Amino acid sequence: GENVEQHPSTLSVQEGDSAVIKCTYSDSASNYFPWYKQELGKRPQLIIDIRSNVGEKKDQRIAVTLNKTAKHFSLHITETQPEDSAVYFCAASMGGGSARQLTFGSGTQLTVLP
Amino acid sequence: DAGVTQSPTHLIKTRGQQVTLRCSPKSGHDTVSWYQQALGQGPQFIFQYYEEEERQRGNFPDRFSGHQFPNYSSELNVNALLLGDSALYLCASSLQETQYFGPGTRLLVL
Repeated sequence: GENVEQHPSTLSVQEGDSAVIKCTYSDSASNYFPWYKQELGKRPQLIIDIRSNVGEKKDQRIAVTLNKTAKHFSLHITETQPEDSAVYFCAASMGGGSARQLTFGSGTQLTVLP
Repeated sequence: DAGVTQSPTHLIKTRGQQVTLRCSPKSGHDTVSWYQQALGQGPQFIFQYYEEEERQRGNFPDRFSGHQFPNYSSELNVNALLLGDSALYLCASSLQETQYFGPGTRLLVL
């Protein structure tokens, strides 16, 4: 089955700096890659996703890049703010429509220092 | 529009007991997936329900079973509870690719 590795496990940045989280996946059939943010005691919330026919996607301060050849995708957060502090999870899935099981990475605890 | 809801929020059981967790999907969503999230780890896929049938299943034993009702709500049942079943159980609903998570049920097995 699919395996997703995520690095780093913890990341501390100064407010205003950028943060980058990296994930690799094992199954070349994976075609959908969402990123979730989970604050302490809260539900995971989708922050951005990318499909395999796109190399990069941006939404305000958040961007995701995908390298299908290397089976690697990354989350970039610019101009970080204290409210960005949370655990971030990458995930990968194959299939189509709602018939998807998400395989998650182990998470990155991001701390933004004021 | 209510998002995904789950009940109960917390549950304490003892080894060997059985538990039922409930999930109501986001309005208009027809697919419900269940995940187990152990402390400090990413969610792990248990199974997915669509049209009242189990469509996909992850690497979980038969002690884990589920059901989906005609109104798309779903239940997760776990029999013969083990200490290792202690976790946050999340359900997610979807209509297309995006899965929206509920707040979870935190299960503690003593």
